[in-house]
Amino acid sequence: GDSVTQMEGPVTLSEEAFLTINCTYTATGYPSLFWYVQYPGEGLQLLLKATKADDKGSNKGFEATYRKETTSFHLEKGSVQVSDSAVYFCALSDSGGGADGLTFGKGTHLIIQP
Amino acid sequence: GAVVSQHPSRVICKSGTSVKIECRSLDFQATTMFWYRQFPKQSLMLMATSNEGSKATYEQGVEKDKFLINHASLTLSTLTVTSAHPEDSSFYICSAPRDRASPLHFGNGTRLTVT
Repeated sequence: GDSVTQMEGPVTLSEEAFLTINCTYTATGYPSLFWYVQYPGEGLQLLLKATKADDKGSNKGFEATYRKETTSFHLEKGSVQVSDSAVYFCALSDSGGGADGLTFGKGTHLIIQP
Repeated sequence: GAVVSQHPSRVICKSGTSVKIECRSLDFQATTMFWYRQFPKQSLMLMATSNEGSKATYEQGVEKDKFLINHASLTLSTLTVTSAHPEDSSFYICSAPRDRASPLHFGNGTRLTVT
């Protein structure tokens, strides 16, 4: 079955540092890939997505590129802020948007220190 | 603004009582809604898929009689935790797709504490 593996946290960085959170996946076919963010005490918010190979999703300074050859969708940001502290989930869907459900990674807790 | 509303955001109940959590799609109709449970160290577990007008589909290992799901209308799904016990304490999150092409929208979650 489908699965998503992402780096375990917590990941602790200083403000303005470069961020990479690794995500790899296993799926049949050509899934859509997502990054969701969860701020403390809240539900999940879509951060970015990519629906086909070589697509780059971007939002709020975060980027991730759909790499079919390495089955990866790593999340990057050039200069993190304290407000980026949250839990980040990588996810995939076989149905384009997620209407048939999402397969999530276990989440990576990101802590940004001033 | 939020497109999926979940209520209540927090609830504390005594062991043995039942608690109902509501999930509403605010500006679209959702024939399907998903219920997740989030464990410590943030792991998300899909509990069930709620289907409007038919029975919910439960994931393996989830007790149907304990976690009752009702999807009575195209904008409302409810999760009732029956005879709650302290081990049911958790963060429950619902989500719904606006359509097949759009990403899932999530509610803000419900923190359940059973004393």
